[in-house]
Amino acid sequence: EIVLTQSPDFLSVAPNEKVVVTCRASQSIGSSLHWYQQKPDQAPKLLIKFASQSISGVPSRFGGSGSETDFTLTINSLKAEDAATYYCHQSIILPLTFGGGTKVEIK
Amino acid sequence: EVQLVESGGVVVQPGGSLRLSCAASGFTFDGYTMHWVRQSPGKGLEWVSLISWDAGITYYADFVQGRFTISRDNSKNSLYLQMTSLRTEDAALYYCAKGLGFAIDDWGQGTLVTVSS
Repeated sequence: EIVLTQSPDFLSVAPNEKVVVTCRASQSIGSSLHWYQQKPDQAPKLLIKFASQSISGVPSRFGGSGSETDFTLTINSLKAEDAATYYCHQSIILPLTFGGGTKVEIK
Repeated sequence: EVQLVESGGVVVQPGGSLRLSCAASGFTFDGYTMHWVRQSPGKGLEWVSLISWDAGITYYADFVQGRFTISRDNSKNSLYLQMTSLRTEDAALYYCAKGLGFAIDDWGQGTLVTVSS
């Protein structure tokens, strides 16, 4: 099973600052890494697919990068509505797995 | 617009059985792999199972092998999860999700399964 390790677990960031969340895979997964945003009492929402591909309707301040084992989600100029938990997810090797999540709080 | 509406979550005793359903609309259901993903209260996301567009391929997480069965009825645009021998650790919000290959793009709002005596 591929283990996805996210860091940090928690971030408290002021509005307009930059957020960087990392996701490390226990073995190479190419670009089959996706990022989701989950707000309280809501379903997850796809933000970035295949490491760096943007999703229609997702603000351009959200970006992804990385390949093989190391991936990054970047939120440029954080807004109040970005307060959420962010998860990474790999889809290349079964069983499919998720990272443990990174909670982003707005200062 | 993709819509996924889960139902069937209830309170069930340990050892009991339950069938979850997911009604899909807004996309060509029989063209997509579908998933179940669960989330225990206050915890992270945990993939449960997937089924290919034609039900020819199914996969399960190790923790549900032999206890849960995923199925679909493309004529009814519906996805199912038959759950048996339920354990307290199976208590969670169960999400139906539309596949993007083996990845997941759209999610329902979930149905809550409580396992308690």
